[in-house]
Amino acid sequence: DIVMSQSPDSLSVSLGERVSINCKSSQSVFSTSTSRNDLGWYQQKPGQPPKLLIYWASTREFGVPDRFSGSGSGTDFTLTISSLQAEDVAVYYCQQYYGAVPTFGQGTKVEIK
Amino acid sequence: QITLKESGPTLVTPTQTLTLTCTFSGFSLTSSGEAVGWIRQPPGKALEWLSHIYWSDDKRYSPSLKNRLTITKDTSKNQVFLTMTDMDPLDTATYYCVHRPTIKGAFDVWGRGTMVTVSS
Repeated sequence: DIVMSQSPDSLSVSLGERVSINCKSSQSVFSTSTSRNDLGWYQQKPGQPPKLLIYWASTREFGVPDRFSGSGSGTDFTLTISSLQAEDVAVYYCQQYYGAVPTFGQGTKVEIK
Repeated sequence: QITLKESGPTLVTPTQTLTLTCTFSGFSLTSSGEAVGWIRQPPGKALEWLSHIYWSDDKRYSPSLKNRLTITKDTSKNQVFLTMTDMDPLDTATYYCVHRPTIKGAFDVWGRGTMVTVSS
């Protein structure tokens, strides 16, 4: 299975500041057949199911605010929140769907400083 | 609008078989490119993919749980079922039903989840 590792495990950021969450896969998740990275990002608020934010590593899901962006390719990816809002407090997960077994990172908890 | 809803027992005893039902709307599992899956999350822990089933009836399972899982569908009722045998307290988790369109690859819509506790 492809192992997904996120960093940091948690971070505390002031409102309006930029947030970057890193995700590293144990092998490349770039699909040569589609020329896309099979990588998604999810947001999970307390007591709620995860919500898809980004797919194909950088495509924003419909309705997701444009302060959320995804970047990276191969094995290294980043989720960026350009200006943290109070409603962004959550745990964020990356997930690969390149391999036969979809796998998630361990999660990164984002809090307000 | 796509919605999914999980149903099933909230408490099972060790060694019992768990059967969960996902009832969905807003798409048809007979349409090419559609898939429905199951993901679980133990309390305070990360997400774990379990299984999914495609419109073609192709099925995928987590290798670590493959011997215990069976996924099926009833397209006439817009339902997907997951059975997990030989339940253990370590299987205590919230179980989510998810929509997975091949056009996105990711799990784009999630049910609210159902909490299953395994205890004697």
